[in-house]
Amino acid sequence: QVQLVQSGAEVKMPGASLKVSCKASGYTFSGYYMHWVRQAPGQGLEWMGWINPNSGGTNYAQKFQGRVTMTRDTSISTAYMELSRLRSDDTAVYYCARGWLHFTDLDYWGQGTLVTVSS
Amino acid sequence: QSVLTQPPSASGTPGQRGTISCSGSSSNIGSNTVNWYQQFPGTAPKLLIYSNNQRPSGVPDRFSGSKSGTSASLAISGLQSEDEADYYCAVWDDSLNAWVFGGGTKLTVL
Repeated sequence: QVQLVQSGAEVKMPGASLKVSCKASGYTFSGYYMHWVRQAPGQGLEWMGWINPNSGGTNYAQKFQGRVTMTRDTSISTAYMELSRLRSDDTAVYYCARGWLHFTDLDYWGQGTLVTVSS
Repeated sequence: QSVLTQPPSASGTPGQRGTISCSGSSSNIGSNTVNWYQQFPGTAPKLLIYSNNQRPSGVPDRFSGSKSGTSASLAISGLQSEDEADYYCAVWDDSLNAWVFGGGTKLTVL
């Protein structure tokens, strides 16, 4: 069965960087786009961008351009999302989610990674 | 301010039919298919409806979706207490070159 398993919760200082991993299993990793979506406490869902695991190509939401980097390691079927220059309003649960094409439904989601940015 | 507009809350009694609306524009709902997600507190969103009106395997047929022009709707027939959750619409936006979500609707079954 399809599974996306994310790395554990993190606490970061303002200004630091964050790297979250998302390990895929149960399907061909390179055959599906991987998206990253975040959700601040009590708020809605916010799309951050996608990576094409096959080509390594990326597309980031304008809001995060310059601060976010999405990478992948196909040898271990794992996608990564790195966010730099963290601020307190980056405190959120970060999800990875797969989609067959970049514009098709995000059908399976990881369990989420809680990131707290606080001094 | 979300690109897609949903009512923040909706409610109904058990057995009633509930609906949640999602309003967008020509660059998103007007051009692409709409998806709906269900989210319970502390858990990841779950795909409920894809391609406007398709249900993934395992989703009860009480849930249905529709789209007309630049708006979409999620309908839940025969509301049950376990349907209490947050519901989000989502669609690809051709102008923004990004996925956009509605602000979410909290459904309460009274």
